[in-house]
Amino acid sequence: AQSVTQLDSQVPVFEEAPVELRCNYSSSVSVYLFWYVQYPNQGLQLLLKYLSGSTLVESINGFEAEFNKSQTSFHLRKPSVHISDTAEYFCAVSEVPPGNQFYFGTGTSLTVIP
Amino acid sequence: NAGVTQTPKFRVLKTGQSMTLLCAQDMNHEYMYWYRQDPGMGLRLIHYSVGEGTTAKGEVPDGYNVSRLKKQNFLLGLESAAPSQTSVYFCASSWPSAGVVEETQYFGPGTRLLVL
Repeated sequence: AQSVTQLDSQVPVFEEAPVELRCNYSSSVSVYLFWYVQYPNQGLQLLLKYLSGSTLVESINGFEAEFNKSQTSFHLRKPSVHISDTAEYFCAVSEVPPGNQFYFGTGTSLTVIP
Repeated sequence: NAGVTQTPKFRVLKTGQSMTLLCAQDMNHEYMYWYRQDPGMGLRLIHYSVGEGTTAKGEVPDGYNVSRLKKQNFLLGLESAAPSQTSVYFCASSWPSAGVVEETQYFGPGTRLLVL
């Protein structure tokens, strides 16, 4: 089974500052990688995903993540955060070819401070 | 499209009571999942289904049963609720049919369950 590690459980950051949320996974096979965001009292929404091709993927609201196969990482970054980015962020992994299960990290709570 | 819906949104049970959580999706997805979310533990897979009439155990299946009698519905049952089952339950679906590659999971809004 896969394991996904999000080392930072809570990340406070000032508004307009940059942020990086770290994600590492354990796998000896090819994987799909995802970042999901959960706003308070809501379900999870897909933020961005890596399936193949360019190792740098971007979301529509300014987040980006880079797939690093040698370091088995998929860190999420944003150069300038906004108050509305306050949420819980989950990294997830699925095997290639598509497996039946997703494996989620324990989540990182991002708090943007005005 | 409503996407993935869950009923009920909230429920309070006493120890030993039973209940069923309903998940419905209107995206013609083949795969459906039930997760529980607990503080500091992320999402843990309870059961999943890869198609109508099929179910399989996930990481934490004990105390739960599921059924997928119709493609669009996935039911999660608690036969005898315990306080350890107090959690937020999320349903998700993925994998449209006809060979379309789409690995994204789509989540419902969640059901908050308190077992006293």
